Amino acid sequence: IQMTQSPSSLSASVGDRVTITCRTSQNIYSNLNWYQQTPGKAPRALIYAASTLHGGVPSRFSGSGSGTEFTLTISSLQPEDFATYYCQQTYSTLWTFGQGTKVEIK
Amino acid sequence: EAVLVESGGGVVQPGGSLRLSCAVSGVTFSAYAMSWVRQAPGKGLEWVSRISGTAESTHYSDSVKGRFTISRDNSRNAVYLQMDGLRGEDSAVYYCAKTVDSGDYPRYGLDVWGHGTTVTVSS
Repeated sequence: IQMTQSPSSLSASVGDRVTITCRTSQNIYSNLNWYQQTPGKAPRALIYAASTLHGGVPSRFSGSGSGTEFTLTISSLQPEDFATYYCQQTYSTLWTFGQGTKVEIK
Repeated sequence: EAVLVESGGGVVQPGGSLRLSCAVSGVTFSAYAMSWVRQAPGKGLEWVSRISGTAESTHYSDSVKGRFTISRDNSRNAVYLQMDGLRGEDSAVYYCAKTVDSGDYPRYGLDVWGHGTTVTVSS
């Protein structure tokens, strides 16, 4: 299953609303997860099953979508949110990640 | 809370072998599938392999199938990745990660990750 994230990068300011899209090459229902990674660190799990936040994840993060199109939204960007975000499908037995979206400071 | 610690990375020549280990604590290890994910320098995340809690099922990405072997020892709370026939494109940080949901067909992805171990394939 091919994953396409867009945009590949974006520049935003603190307080901005940010939306990242992940599209899949076939229907994966709600088997889509989101991760955040800052430089030099391991990824952090944010959202699973398309829209369920992991414990401890701030409520400004939200996920939506099903089928082949999914979105990750950050309602009000905070300084600690500048990072790279990855989607991942877990529908097929062979899992795949999107190529990542880097969120940079404007 | 689960803690994962990888080891075994290093520098190896093309065609060589390396065995990575991941020690897991703070969780009922045998209940969860485990995965290896890698990240080449400056690149994105690439899922490599997964093993069920019972070790009965294993899965590999096309890029490593036939060269890498995942295994686990539930008595030692450890998961391993045997890497043979290494190539330059296998150079990466390798992360061990635990699945969110238990069972043989996890759907909720990975929730706890190790810090990673670096593999460099170079002559």
